[in-house]
Amino acid sequence: GENVEQHPSTLSVQEGDSAVIKCTYSDSASNYFPWYKQELGKRPQLIIDIRSNVGEKKDQRIAVTLNKTAKHFSLHITETQPEDSAVYFCAAYPSNTGNQFYFGTGTSLTVIP
Amino acid sequence: NAGVTQTPKFRVLKTGQSMTLLCAQDMNHEYMYWYRQDPGMGLRLIHYSVGEGTTAKGEVPDGYNVSRLKKQNFLLGLESAAPSQTSVYFCASSTRFKAGGSTDTQYFGPGTRLTVL
Repeated sequence: GENVEQHPSTLSVQEGDSAVIKCTYSDSASNYFPWYKQELGKRPQLIIDIRSNVGEKKDQRIAVTLNKTAKHFSLHITETQPEDSAVYFCAAYPSNTGNQFYFGTGTSLTVIP
Repeated sequence: NAGVTQTPKFRVLKTGQSMTLLCAQDMNHEYMYWYRQDPGMGLRLIHYSVGEGTTAKGEVPDGYNVSRLKKQNFLLGLESAAPSQTSVYFCASSTRFKAGGSTDTQYFGPGTRLTVL
């Protein structure tokens, strides 16, 4: 099945700096890549997603890029704020292997005021 | 529109006891999922369902059973709880994307924190 790797596992940045989280996937049939933010004690919530027919997507301070050839996608957060501190998960969805999402192991982001 | 709800929110079991976790969604989603979340291991799929009356195994199905008798409900059962099943359990649902065989956004419930002593 699909294998999603996520790096780094922890990330600390100064407020106002940018943060980048990277994920790689193995199944070329994956065609949907969501990113989730999970605050302490809360449920994961979708913050941005991208489909395989698109190379980049932006939503205010958040952007996701996808490189299908290299099988990797990245989350970019600009002008980080303390409220961005959370665990971020990437996921991949292979369209041909049983309707499952495969998640990365998460990145704990800390934004230092 | 409550989205995805889970009951109970917290539970403490003794080894060998059984329990059922209930997930309900009011978005008319076809797909439903049960995950467990353990520190440093992300979200691991236990079982999932692509429609009423259907279920399938995920990555870590051992020790769990599921049922989807109604489209809006997905039940997760532990027949004989073990300390290794101490975890936070999340239910999620999503709809089938209309084109290309993909899926749409997955929505998560608030989670159930289970401790097995």
